[in-house]
Amino acid sequence: DVKVTQSSRYLVKRTGEKVFLECVQDMDHENMFWYRQDPGLGLRLIYFSYDVKMKEKGDIPEGYSVSREKKERFSLILESASTNQTSMYLCASSLLRTSGSPPQYFGPGTRLLVL
Amino acid sequence: AQTVTQSQPEMSVQEAETVTLSCTYDTSESNYYLFWYKQPPSRQMILVIRQEAYKQQNATENRFSVNFQKAAKSFSLKISDSQLGDTAMYFCAFIFAFGNEKLTFGTGTRLTIIP
Repeated sequence: DVKVTQSSRYLVKRTGEKVFLECVQDMDHENMFWYRQDPGLGLRLIYFSYDVKMKEKGDIPEGYSVSREKKERFSLILESASTNQTSMYLCASSLLRTSGSPPQYFGPGTRLLVL
Repeated sequence: AQTVTQSQPEMSVQEAETVTLSCTYDTSESNYYLFWYKQPPSRQMILVIRQEAYKQQNATENRFSVNFQKAAKSFSLKISDSQLGDTAMYFCAFIFAFGNEKLTFGTGTRLTIIP
């Protein structure tokens, strides 16, 4: 079974703090993704990566950065957390598409509260 | 850019009944994939079913089936003989057949199965 794990289920941070969210997958997937999930807005893509040290902006990258130093690990960084970044953050991974569209496998999510 | 619309924020149905969740999308492309993902309460998101746009036959996975109407850009999910374990958020998602790996999600439908 594919396993995608996220470092924390719940996190409380103060405005202005630097926040790291970690994601690890154990299936040698090339692609990794960070989404945020908000009620009424569904999932919105923040960043994705298709290889080590490669990254692409998603729909809402402002206020976020990412790091992928190893294939299995993809980190989301909030340089200076703000209250409007309070949300559920979901990590996902998938194989690189050669044909078809492989499914994305999701982590359990990190619920971040910024005070 | 493609959009995915789920017009039913919440639905509820009695156990053992059949329920249909609706999804419409907008794209000018002809080759793409559509998905339904399920997110149970406090559990990880999983893929329920997938449809290739070039296939006329509707996808089926046990009690889950889709009604794919390409001309109408409609992709509904039918759950037959609903079970308590079907209680979840359901997200419709779209991806182009070629190009980047970016999934576009709808806003979700919260489905409650009533015992």
